[in-house]
Amino acid sequence: SQTIHQWPATLVQPVGSPLSLECTVEGTSNPNLYWYRQAAGRGLQLLFYSVGIGQISSEVPQNLSASRPQDRQFILSSKKLLLSDSGFYLCAWSGVAGVTYNEQFFGPGTRLTVL
Amino acid sequence: EDQVTQSPEALRLQEGESSSLNCSYTVSGLRGLFWYRQDPGKGPEFLFTLYSAGEEKEKERLKATLTKKESFLHITAPKPEDSATYLCAVQPNYGQNFVFGPGTRLSVLP
Repeated sequence: SQTIHQWPATLVQPVGSPLSLECTVEGTSNPNLYWYRQAAGRGLQLLFYSVGIGQISSEVPQNLSASRPQDRQFILSSKKLLLSDSGFYLCAWSGVAGVTYNEQFFGPGTRLTVL
Repeated sequence: EDQVTQSPEALRLQEGESSSLNCSYTVSGLRGLFWYRQDPGKGPEFLFTLYSAGEEKEKERLKATLTKKESFLHITAPKPEDSATYLCAVQPNYGQNFVFGPGTRLSVLP
């Protein structure tokens, strides 16, 4: 069965510091990968998605970037955090669109607080 | 623009009091509609996928239905452990990305 991991679970960072959040998926190959942010009381906002190694699409302009150095690894980064980057960050995976199931499966999330 | 709304924003039920949550969507061609359950501080947990109007899916006390413009999540005789935020998402025909609604926060009181 497939498993998705995220770390760290919680993070408190000062404004202007760098960020690196990691997501890994086990039990599948060539998944589509996604980074979402969920602000308090709001819906999920798609930040980035990737259909393969080195292939990253950004949904919204922002202070963040993403990379996919390996097939089942997805990294969310920032060079300098802003207060507005605080939130709950979720990684998700899905099968290949139109070939396997379309459902997205989420990791446990990372709670980021920028002070 | 693709859009998903959910109502009510919050719902409080007594244990055993059945009710329904609504998900209304506007999308240029629907590939699928998805329901998730999210507990506080955790990632969303997949519940159902619906693909065409008239389709229904059931799991324990939950039943999801789909029309051309909305979906309902019916909760029959809920228990306190059903308390969570329920998220609805649509996947348009033209792509693989989801559009999520804001969610309905359900509280079931013993």
